Amino acid sequence: GNSVTQMEGPVTLSEEAFLTINCTYTATGYPSLFWYVQYPGEGLQLLLKATKADDKGSNKGFEATYRKETTSFHLEKGSVQVSDSAVYFCALSDRGNYGQNFVFGPGTRLSVLP
Amino acid sequence: DSGVTQTPKHLITATGQRVTLRCSPRSGDLSVYWYQQSLDQGLQFLIQYYNGEERAKGNILERFSAQQFPDLHSELNLSSLELGDSALYFCASSVTDKETQYFGPGTRLLVL
Repeated sequence: GNSVTQMEGPVTLSEEAFLTINCTYTATGYPSLFWYVQYPGEGLQLLLKATKADDKGSNKGFEATYRKETTSFHLEKGSVQVSDSAVYFCALSDRGNYGQNFVFGPGTRLSVLP
Repeated sequence: DSGVTQTPKHLITATGQRVTLRCSPRSGDLSVYWYQQSLDQGLQFLIQYYNGEERAKGNILERFSAQQFPDLHSELNLSSLELGDSALYFCASSVTDKETQYFGPGTRLLVL
């Protein structure tokens, strides 16, 4: 079945450091890929998405490129801020035998120190 | 604010009981999804409804059921509750079943 694997956290960075959170997936079809962010005490918010190979999603300085050849969708940001501290979820949406299948990775907690 | 509302915010109950969680999707969204988030299992997709009909099923226990009403709000019913059912339950909605999902703030369920 479909699955999403993310790098284990927590990730702790200093402000203005470069961020990479790795995400790889397994899917039988051609999924759409997403990054969601969850701030403390809140629900998940869509950060960015890509719907086909080589698409680049970007938002708020974050970027991720849909790499079909490596089945990856790594999240990057050039300079993190304290306000980026949150849990980041990689996810895929794929059409299965019974409707859409939605699979989330385990989440990676990011802490940014001033 | 995503526009998705969930009630109640917190719920404390005892093992063996039954509870109902409610979700109102964003205006115009036809699809509703339910997720369970726990420390040991992460975020698990439970079930999806589209315009009143069940569209997809994930890791939903037989003790759990859901429905979507004609006004498009949805309810998740959890019965014969166990300690392990303690979790955050999120509802999300989208315009169709292919579009971005918008999450509600969640209902925190504690089973004692």
